[in-house]
Amino acid sequence: GEDVEQSLFLSVREGDSSVINCTYTDSSSTYLYWYKQEPGAGLQLLTYIFSNMDMKQDQRLTVLLNKKDKHLSLRIADTQTGDSAIYFCAETNYGGATNKLIFGTGTLLAVQP
Amino acid sequence: DGGITQSPKYLFRKEGQNVTLSCEQNLNHDAMYWYRQDPGQGLRLIYYSQIVNDFQKGDIAEGYSVSREKKESFPLTVTSAQKNPTAFYLCASSDPGTSGSYEQYFGPGTRLTVT
Repeated sequence: GEDVEQSLFLSVREGDSSVINCTYTDSSSTYLYWYKQEPGAGLQLLTYIFSNMDMKQDQRLTVLLNKKDKHLSLRIADTQTGDSAIYFCAETNYGGATNKLIFGTGTLLAVQP
Repeated sequence: DGGITQSPKYLFRKEGQNVTLSCEQNLNHDAMYWYRQDPGQGLRLIYYSQIVNDFQKGDIAEGYSVSREKKESFPLTVTSAQKNPTAFYLCASSDPGTSGSYEQYFGPGTRLTVT
C-alpha cells in the first residue's frame, strides 16, 4: 500500500533555514501537503502542492517536489522558536474512491535560541 | 467563526466502559474523518464518512464505532473491545467537491486516557 516516510527529528538554530524531507511511494499522488502540529493541538495546514508543480513558495515556506524520486521537502527560511513543532507531510490520490490522506510519521523540529 | 470543535479536550475512563468523543463542524463540509495519534506513529485513520448516513472503516476500525446522522456531527465511540484506547484522537473534515485541493481541516483533538 501507500507509504509516506519522514525523519523523526531535526534541530536548527534560530535564524537558520530548516529543511524537512519526506518520501512517498504512491506514484499516483496528486496533492501533497505539509501540516504543522503544536504540542497538544490539532494539525494546521501550512501549504500544499499539486503534483504537476516542482516548487511552491509562500512567504518563509518553500516546497520542492521531485516527482521522479517521489521526494517532497519543506524549507522554512529564518526559522523562529515559534516554528518548533511536529511537521507532517501527507499525500492523496485525487480520483481515488475516498480522498483519503496518507500521513507520514511526522518530523519534530526543535529550534534552539 | 467556522471550524471544527472536539469535546472534551481531556477524557478519563475506566477500562471496560464505552466512551463517545464529540466532533462538530460548521464548515458545511461533506466529508469527515477520525484519526488516532500515538507517539512516533503519525496519524492512523479509524473511520471516515463522505456523506450523511454513510461511513466506511479506515485502517484501524476494530473496537470503534461511528454514526453520521447529521452533516455537522460525526461522533466516535471507543468501545470496551478496543485493546489500547489511550491515545490522542483527531477529527477532520474536508469538502472534496469544492476545495479543489482536498485538504483536510482538523479539530483541536481529544486526549483519552483509560485506566
